[in-house]
Amino acid sequence: QKEVEQDPGPLSVPEGAIVSLNCTYSNSAFQYFMWYRQYSRKGPELLMYTYSSGNKEDGRFTAQVDKSSKYISLFIRDSQPSDSATYLCASYGGSQGNLIFGKGTKLSVKP
Amino acid sequence: DTAVSQTPKYLVTQMGNDKSIKCEQNLGHDTMYWYKQDSKKFLKIMFSYNNKELIINETVPNRFSPKSPDKAHLNLHINSLELGDSAVYFCASSPDGNQPQHFGDGTRLSIL
Repeated sequence: QKEVEQDPGPLSVPEGAIVSLNCTYSNSAFQYFMWYRQYSRKGPELLMYTYSSGNKEDGRFTAQVDKSSKYISLFIRDSQPSDSATYLCASYGGSQGNLIFGKGTKLSVKP
Repeated sequence: DTAVSQTPKYLVTQMGNDKSIKCEQNLGHDTMYWYKQDSKKFLKIMFSYNNKELIINETVPNRFSPKSPDKAHLNLHINSLELGDSAVYFCASSPDGNQPQHFGDGTRLSIL
C-alpha cells in the first residue's frame, strides 16, 4: 500500500466552480502536509503547507487536514483557467526530508 | 532570480553513455534533493544531501552518483545509461529536513 494515495483524475470543471482535491495517507506519524501545483513542463510549486489537523486558507485556496481519518484536502474557490495543472499532495514520513508524494490529480478548468 | 536551477533542461543521449546533470540553489538552503518523475508523473526521491553530506539514499542503482561540491550545488552523474532511465529529474532544496521543498524545472532525459 502506497503511503499517500491520490485519485489521478483527470478532473474537468467549468470556470468559477469550487474544486475539491483529496488524498489519504496511511502513516499515523505524518505531521506535515503539503500541496504542490505542477504546470506542464515545470517543476512542482509549493501552494500550501500545514502542520497537523485543521484548516489553512490562502486566497482562493484552503487546505484541510483530518488526522483522525488520515484525509487531506485542497479546495479551490472561483476556479480559473490558470488553475489548470496537476496538483500533488505530499507528506513527510520516515527519514528526515523523505517527502512522500501522491500521484497527482490533473485539473482542467474550462472557460 | 531563479531559486533552483538545473542544467541542461533537455538531455537526449544513447544507451550506455555517461551523463551529468547540474543543480544550483541560491536560497541559502542547507538541504538538497534529487527526485525522479516517471512517465506516469509519479515523483520519487532518490537522494538527499544536508550541508554536503548524504542523508537519504533510496533504492537507486549505483550507476547514479550524486556529488555536492558545496551546499549550494548538488550534481547527479549517471553511468551506463539504460532505457529505463528516461524520465524527468528534479532537483529541490529546503532550509533543512521537514521544511517545504522548492523545486527546479527539471531535466528531461531521453535515452535512445
